[in-house]
Amino acid sequence: DVKVTQSSRYLVKRTGEKVFLECVQDMDHENMFWYRQDPGLGLRLIYFSYDVKMKEKGDIPEGYSVSREKKERFSLILESASTNQTSMYLCASSPAQPLAGGVDEQFFGPGTRLTVL
Amino acid sequence: AQSVTQPDIHITVSEGASLELRCNYSYGATPYLFWYVQSPGQGLQLLLKYFSGDTLVQGIKGFEAEFKRSQSSFNLRKPSVHWSDAAEYFCAVGPTGGFKTIFGAGTRLFVKA
Repeated sequence: DVKVTQSSRYLVKRTGEKVFLECVQDMDHENMFWYRQDPGLGLRLIYFSYDVKMKEKGDIPEGYSVSREKKERFSLILESASTNQTSMYLCASSPAQPLAGGVDEQFFGPGTRLTVL
Repeated sequence: AQSVTQPDIHITVSEGASLELRCNYSYGATPYLFWYVQSPGQGLQLLLKYFSGDTLVQGIKGFEAEFKRSQSSFNLRKPSVHWSDAAEYFCAVGPTGGFKTIFGAGTRLFVKA
């Protein structure tokens, strides 16, 4: 059974703290993604990675960085958390699908609800 | 610009009634289309996907969707809704800018007894 796990379901942090969100997949997928989900806005891509040590900015990368040192692990880092980063964060992985321009079904973790006070 | 629009923020249907959730996209080439469902407190789960071939796609949990190129639509349907179908539904299209997929804002489905 395929699985994407995220290190925390709920997290409360203070403004200015450095925050690490961890994501691990056990499906040997090439692609991994970090999204934030806010009511009425759907899912917005923060960063994605198509290989180890490779990363690409998504639509809203400001205030975030990522790390992918191993194929199965993709970390999202908030260098200095701010209240406007309070949100639900979703991690996903997918296989590289050459016949579909690289996209395929994404497998999602349960999400981390982050509150920044 | 590539985009996905789900015109209905929320929909309420009676249990046993039929359901149609709308999805319109703007895309310059042949799109690859997805529908996902998110139950409360959960991540997203794929219901179905369209890559090519038959434009009527069958998915899990009794859902189906029809790709209509002329209308730039990929509407999701179910003939008889169950209370457990209450969730948020997301339409998505890709690839965009490499390996990315764009998600719509979602439609929340409420099911009344």
